[in-house]
Amino acid sequence: GAGVSQSPSNKVTEKGKDVELRCDPISGHTALYWYRQSLGQGLEFLIYFQGNSAPDKSGLPSDRFSAERTGGSVSTLTIQRTQQEDSAVYLCASSLDVSWRETQYFGPGTRLLVL
Amino acid sequence: GQQLNQSPQSMFIQEGEDVSMNCTSSSIFNTWLWYKQDPGEGPVLLIALYKAGELTSNGRLTAQFGITRKDSFLNISASIPSDVGIYFCAGLGGGTGNQFYFGTGTSLTVIP
Repeated sequence: GAGVSQSPSNKVTEKGKDVELRCDPISGHTALYWYRQSLGQGLEFLIYFQGNSAPDKSGLPSDRFSAERTGGSVSTLTIQRTQQEDSAVYLCASSLDVSWRETQYFGPGTRLLVL
Repeated sequence: GQQLNQSPQSMFIQEGEDVSMNCTSSSIFNTWLWYKQDPGEGPVLLIALYKAGELTSNGRLTAQFGITRKDSFLNISASIPSDVGIYFCAGLGGGTGNQFYFGTGTSLTVIP
């Protein structure tokens, strides 16, 4: 079956512009996660959704970052007034449920470059 | 956010050699996971460990969940060129709720 898909695969934007990143989870997966991976760095957890709700937004780097999920499926991560330090690969993952026993399946990522 | 300490940062080995890498944390986790990431791709789960002391194998890979629940190691036996990539550990559960915390990664280069 289809895996997690993300779009766009690459995004180049100018400093100060807003960007919207999209994640399509595996069908039937109620949990969805966003991560950020900077060049040569490990993965940084940003936020997770159980259904449409995100119980904990403390992982978002700043108030310029927001995420939503509608219909329990597609999620968008929005970065307002982008800064150069926002350049990174943004990875999305989904799992059957928000449980530490459930395997997360990762998408290929969106590579964001802020000039 | 919290990150796990993973070592070594990078390894250059000859094909056929065994590899060992580990991950430590100041926090207790209920689950340890090991992922491999190829360039331009998302991480792929290799092994999941759910119980302290658990030793699990997946082909040439073997991983263990430390007794203290604060560490884990991954061994790769008889390395081959396609083992090249970045290996990440991840911990969750315990006091971290449903948040995943990832190690800083070990970059593996296999010289044919």
